[in-house]
Order: sequence, then C-alpha cells, then structure tokens
Amino acid sequence: DAGITQSPRHKVTETGTPVTLRCHQTENHRYMYWYRQDPGHGLRLIHYSYGVKDTDKGEVSDGYSVSRSKTEDFLLTLESATSSQTSVYFCAISEPSGGWETQYFGPGTRLLVL
Amino acid sequence: DAKTTQPPSMDCAEGRAANLPCNHSTISGNEYVYWYRQIHSQGPQYIIHGLKNNETNEMASLIITEDRKSSTLILPHATLRDTAVYYCIVRVFLSRSGGSNYKLTFGKGTLLTVNP
Repeated sequence: DAGITQSPRHKVTETGTPVTLRCHQTENHRYMYWYRQDPGHGLRLIHYSYGVKDTDKGEVSDGYSVSRSKTEDFLLTLESATSSQTSVYFCAISEPSGGWETQYFGPGTRLLVL
Repeated sequence: DAKTTQPPSMDCAEGRAANLPCNHSTISGNEYVYWYRQIHSQGPQYIIHGLKNNETNEMASLIITEDRKSSTLILPHATLRDTAVYYCIVRVFLSRSGGSNYKLTFGKGTLLTVNP
C-alpha cells in the first residue's frame, strides 16, 4: 500500500465550514497528489506537489488549497465547503517502478457536505 | 490528452483468462499506457504499465499493438476477487514541474465481473 494513510476516512460537515484532509506517507516520496472521484467523472486531479512547499494546481482546483510543509504530509483544505465538494478524495504518491514513476493511491476519504 | 475507450462491462468465468481491451488511437510516442483497477470503495490499485513492448508481472500481462493504438490487459486465471472496475490510462506529464511528475486521467473503465 506504499505506506499511505488518509485522515479522516469519513467526514460529514456543513456548507460554509472549512475542512482539512490529511495525507500521510512513511516512505519519503517526493511527489504527492490529491484527486477526487465522482460518479460520471472518474478521478480528477485537484492539486499536486513535487516537493516540500512546491505545489501546483490540477484540473479542478477551484475552492481547494493545499500545503506541504514536510515531506510526509500533504494537506488538502476546502476553504468554505459546498455541496458540490461532496466526493471521495484520494491521495496518491509516485514511486519509482521499472525506471519510471508509478502512482499508488491511499484508501480515500468520503466527504459529505450538507 | 490522449483519450482511451473501453467497453463498459465484461463477464468472465472463474479460472478462465480475462482479456480487457482498450483503444488509445491518439496516443503519442512517449506516452505510457497504465492499467489500474478499483474494487468497490477502495483506492485505485496499480496493475501494470507499458510503452511499446509487451509486459508481464505477477498480476497480469499487457499486450500493446505494434502501432500502439490499442492494448489488452490479460488476467490469466481470474478469481472472484478480481471483480472490479479496470481503468486503461494514458499518462500525461505535468510539464510545469519538470521531472517525472505526471497526472493520470481516469475514464469510466470496464466493470469486470468474475462469475463462479
């Protein structure tokens, strides 16, 4: 499982509240990613990180921010949660595999915004 | 981004080989084909990837056509635990950061049901 944990695993929150999801890895991987998965859309990239304090936007970054102050943690923050952000959120890391990087995913966080 | 096309669903008998097709006719010369699967409610699981040669690992084999416009994932002896959604993905580089940083674009995949 590439040493990836996500917390919380389930969360229910109200519209307008800030929410922070945590991705933690134990194997010192440089690259980390946040995706969301919704019915009919597959997985979509929200933000990614290519090193400590180095992050960039993915294809669905509006309403989200990220931070990476140390290698092992990549935080995803919903600044003011909306019902459209109800989703399953997956964190991923990249690990060298056969000369290339392969992404491995965490178990996911189910978020419900009421 | 190169687009992939997969059948929405397939059935396979337990113990038989499962052959999952994927079309990726717009793939570029340096883009890899990746296969993942997702068992209900779990995170996607990496299976295999390839560029132009056939590949095999402990989970599966990947056959890529010579023109690279399509590929087939083969599970040689499917079990009930292989029931999952299988995704064929072309990897896209996130060029702004350089290096090997990339994103995976997941489509709808193929729901493989392995029957007893």
